[in-house]
Amino acid sequence: GPKVLQIPSHQIIDMGQMVTLNCDPVSNHLYFYWYKQILGQQMEFLVNFYNGKVMEKSKLFKDQFSVERPDGSYFTLKIQPTALEDSAVYFCASSPGQGRNTLYFGAGTRLSVL
Amino acid sequence: GQGVEQPAKLMSVEGTFARVNCTYSTSGFNGLSWYQQREGQAPVFLSYVVLDGLKDSGHFSTFLSRSNGYSYLLLTELQIKDSASYLCAVRDRASSGQKLVFGQGTILKVYL
Repeated sequence: GPKVLQIPSHQIIDMGQMVTLNCDPVSNHLYFYWYKQILGQQMEFLVNFYNGKVMEKSKLFKDQFSVERPDGSYFTLKIQPTALEDSAVYFCASSPGQGRNTLYFGAGTRLSVL
Repeated sequence: GQGVEQPAKLMSVEGTFARVNCTYSTSGFNGLSWYQQREGQAPVFLSYVVLDGLKDSGHFSTFLSRSNGYSYLLLTELQIKDSASYLCAVRDRASSGQKLVFGQGTILKVYL
């Protein structure tokens, strides 16, 4: 099936530094998402992105977070500065378009903030 | 507000069946999806339902009752490899951007 790739699979970073998580979504998809999952807990919605803009974001999407997809390349999540509570697995997803409910997920990036 | 609830764990014997339950509350229901997630891997789409009733997809079947805010995923002829976490996710009509709200997932353990 369609594949969403996330790079890197694991990132270790010192608190206060900046980190960028990269996602290569399915090529013809139009909607892009980031979800956060702390170990043993549910996946929680962070943000979605369409046509170059943030459509919806949750309370978890703090001011330190930003997303972009420059020139149709990687869809990125940047955290600047990072905090200890940002440690989690971040899943990227994409979906084809309006009315299509299927989200295709990447394998996640495990972020460890020390 | 929105909420999706699932039991944390479920155990079933190989060759039998397992029913993974999901209850939800939403201000404007707009579809429910089931995903399978193995440890360290991406959630994989299994099924999407928006109308009441049972949707039979072979090894996986899905039931929905909108009036009760209830769905289940039924796995038949269980195999050991069906051991995984099963996630229920609901879309709200009020959401502008197609987001899904996930339950915490049910860890299914299939044993001999």
